[in-house]
Amino acid sequence: EVQLVESGGGLVQPGGSLRLSCAASGFTFSDYAMSWVRQPPGKGLEWVSVVSSSGDYTGYADSVKGRFTISRDSSKNTLYLQMNSLRAEDTAVYYCTKVASYYIDYWGQGTLVTVSS
Amino acid sequence: QSALTQPASVSGSPGQSITISCTGTSSDVGGYNYVSWYQQHPGKAPKLMIYDVSNRPSGVSNRFSGSKSGNTASLTISGLQAEDEADYYCSSYTSSTTRVFGGGTKLTVL
Repeated sequence: EVQLVESGGGLVQPGGSLRLSCAASGFTFSDYAMSWVRQPPGKGLEWVSVVSSSGDYTGYADSVKGRFTISRDSSKNTLYLQMNSLRAEDTAVYYCTKVASYYIDYWGQGTLVTVSS
Repeated sequence: QSALTQPASVSGSPGQSITISCTGTSSDVGGYNYVSWYQQHPGKAPKLMIYDVSNRPSGVSNRFSGSKSGNTASLTISGLQAEDEADYYCSSYTSSTTRVFGGGTKLTVL
């Protein structure tokens, strides 16, 4: 059974940093691209970032480019999202997702990030 | 990276069919057969319902179907049931190798 468990969310001040982690199990982690998707409270889904199965390729939404960094550690079956220079508009539930070809086939339960003073 | 356009809400009675549209551009929906649809119940993570325009994952009811014409993709739910009441999101691969979601559609089963 595929499981994706996010951690690292919480309250952070504007301009601060936070690192999200996602522990993956139930599939061969190194075979699949992974991505992060976020959802502000009461709003829709926003694609944030993707990393290839090998980690060689990364992609970002314009709204986070230059501030967020996605990475993975296949020895630990873990996906990361380093978030710097956080803004109020980054407040959202962040979902870790498994990418199958060109679509997301599994989602974690999400971790809430709140950016506020 | 503009969001794909979906109607904010649709509704239907049990047993009826409804269709949710998802309009993009030739750089996303129109350019690739990589449209997927997700169902999200309140407080829950999204669930994959359709991938690659019209394919259903194992375990998803055959009441759900997808199609595409030009820059617009569609999700059709036939034989509406109370449990179908949820938010639905479309997503597409884009020419910049990123992904984009629609704004979401709230389905109400009357």
